Amino acid sequence: QKEVEQDPGPLSVPEGAIVSLNCTYSNSAFQYFMWYRQYSRKGPELLMYTYSSGNKEDGRFTAQVDKSSKYISLFIRDSQPSDSATYLCAIFRVEYGNKLVFGAGTILRVKS
Amino acid sequence: EAGVAQSPRYKIIEKRQSVAFWCNPISGHATLYWYQQILGQGPKLLIQFQNNGVVDDSQLPKDRFSAERLKGVDSTLKIQPAKLEDSAVYLCASSPLDRSYEQYFGPGTRLTVT
Repeated sequence: QKEVEQDPGPLSVPEGAIVSLNCTYSNSAFQYFMWYRQYSRKGPELLMYTYSSGNKEDGRFTAQVDKSSKYISLFIRDSQPSDSATYLCAIFRVEYGNKLVFGAGTILRVKS
Repeated sequence: EAGVAQSPRYKIIEKRQSVAFWCNPISGHATLYWYQQILGQGPKLLIQFQNNGVVDDSQLPKDRFSAERLKGVDSTLKIQPAKLEDSAVYLCASSPLDRSYEQYFGPGTRLTVT
């Protein structure tokens, strides 16, 4: 079983839709929960991160963590064609050394 | 604030040849990472430096990969000899010493081994 599971998509939505991207993880030692955006042929860009269960909002983006279910989500409101990218969840593991473990990424396409 | 710089951006070599990648982290970031990202996968950590010391190289194939971080700033990653399965994007990232979870990535070097 992979430590972090993420549906690879692709996920295709019309402009203006609400997008939901999700990951599950297996290790309760994970403490920080990150979302990265990666455009084609670019490096991952840190969008936002959170530490505790609950919601964190930043503009059109909301990160949600449910530690009891080991489930994290990223919601994008009013999606734009410029949001088309691969979204990577990454979880920071403290046990057995500080390490960032990535999901495989979900490809998102927002159609205008 | 300047981001993480990497060069070259692209490299094509034949198998059994050697190649080197260079990284300059964000100024003031003590921790530097090299990741390998194979197409369709998330980045996988190869090696982590704190200042000029190695913290974790457990996933580095040491028979062919080597890395160094001179004077705790720039870093180079070398592959010798390259194999077909080394074709990937090699990403460098850096983070502040007290926030290792907050990692910032460079644009990557796309390596193709033929």
